[in-house]
Amino acid sequence: EDQVTQSPEALRLQEGESSSLNCSYTVSGLRGLFWYRQDPGKGPEFLFTLYSAGEEKEKERLKATLTKKESFLHITAPKPEDSATYLCAVLGWRALTFGSGTRLQVQP
Amino acid sequence: DAEITQSPRHKITETGRQVTLACHQTWNHNNMFWYRQDLGHGLRLIHYSYGVQDTNKGEVSDGYSVSRSNTEDLPLTLESAASSQTSVYFCASSQTRQGVNNEQFFGPGTRLTVL
Repeated sequence: EDQVTQSPEALRLQEGESSSLNCSYTVSGLRGLFWYRQDPGKGPEFLFTLYSAGEEKEKERLKATLTKKESFLHITAPKPEDSATYLCAVLGWRALTFGSGTRLQVQP
Repeated sequence: DAEITQSPRHKITETGRQVTLACHQTWNHNNMFWYRQDLGHGLRLIHYSYGVQDTNKGEVSDGYSVSRSNTEDLPLTLESAASSQTSVYFCASSQTRQGVNNEQFFGPGTRLTVL
């Protein structure tokens, strides 16, 4: 059974204080690891797809990396508008399995 | 612009009633999915479809059914609503091109309350 564990559950940062979110996974045949952002009352919004260990992708203040067992979402100099829940998901042979998310709050 | 829509956005119903949640996408995606999201459980897959006339059970399919008669729509039916089905429901779609599984795009969600 595919499993995804995200840590921490919640994170509070000061504006400009860089940090990383962790996504640990076990999957039978990884066909992709996905990061999403979800704002309250809205559907998840796609951020990145990573397909193989060593791959990295960047978008503005966000950078996602992938190893054989985990993925990190690095947030550099965050702003209050980066406050959201960040979801990680893995695609195995059958379907997408999501973690419970990390709730990020960035204070001005 | 292409999009994915869900209706209704909010629904209150009574235990035992049949409820259908609509999902419509205009991307012409082959794949469509239904998830429910509850505190402490994240997003859990209910049913999914990889094309017209194709449907598959997900992790939490008991009490739910879907049918896919065209590319654009995947309605989700609760045959006899139960209080345990109170949740936020998300529909998503994606396209598989040349064997690559592309990202899923999500709708805005339907908040269902079963009294």
